[in-house]
Amino acid sequence: GQQVMQIPQYQHVQEGEDFTTYCNSSTTLSNIQWYKQRPGGHPVFLIQLVKSGEVKKQKRLTFQFGEAKKNSSLHITATQTTDVGTYFCAGPGTYKYIFGTGTRLKVLA
Amino acid sequence: DSGVTQTPKHLITATGQRVTLRCSPRSGDLSVYWYQQSLDQGLQFLIQYYNGEERAKGNILERFSAQQFPDLHSELNLSSLELGDSALYFCASSVSGDNEQFFGPGTRLTVL
Repeated sequence: GQQVMQIPQYQHVQEGEDFTTYCNSSTTLSNIQWYKQRPGGHPVFLIQLVKSGEVKKQKRLTFQFGEAKKNSSLHITATQTTDVGTYFCAGPGTYKYIFGTGTRLKVLA
Repeated sequence: DSGVTQTPKHLITATGQRVTLRCSPRSGDLSVYWYQQSLDQGLQFLIQYYNGEERAKGNILERFSAQQFPDLHSELNLSSLELGDSALYFCASSVSGDNEQFFGPGTRLTVL
């Protein structure tokens, strides 16, 4: 079945350092979504990418969709303690979205 | 506040029991999803409903069942509970099956 893997599983960074998480799908995706889940919270939608090679920015966050539409990345510039949480990518399967394994980010002040 | 409500927030019960989790989607959303998240784990898709009809089924156990009612709220029924069923259960809703999902605060189920 379709799988969506994310690496790394965990990442500890010093505040101010950059952070990147990668999402890889076993099949081509029509679109990809990213969600953030704060500790003790629920997933919150961040963005959806649709076009091959698409790049979108939200302040310090940069999202990319690969040319082959099988991978995506989320890059955070100059992390802050508010960036702590787990970042999930999600891709469409048959009538549903499949969530990636998630990358847990810890930011050390 | 996502607009999705889930009740109860916490549920503590014993093995072998049956519980019902309830979800009210955002106004206007026709699609409801149920997910299970065990401690420090990812989101496991259980089932999706769209406008009252089952649309997709994931890794949902036979002991679990769900439905979406005419007013679009949904219930997830968990029976013959086992210790391993202890988890956070999230409900999410979206306008259709392709849009962003809005998650509720979750129901934390503890099976003793």
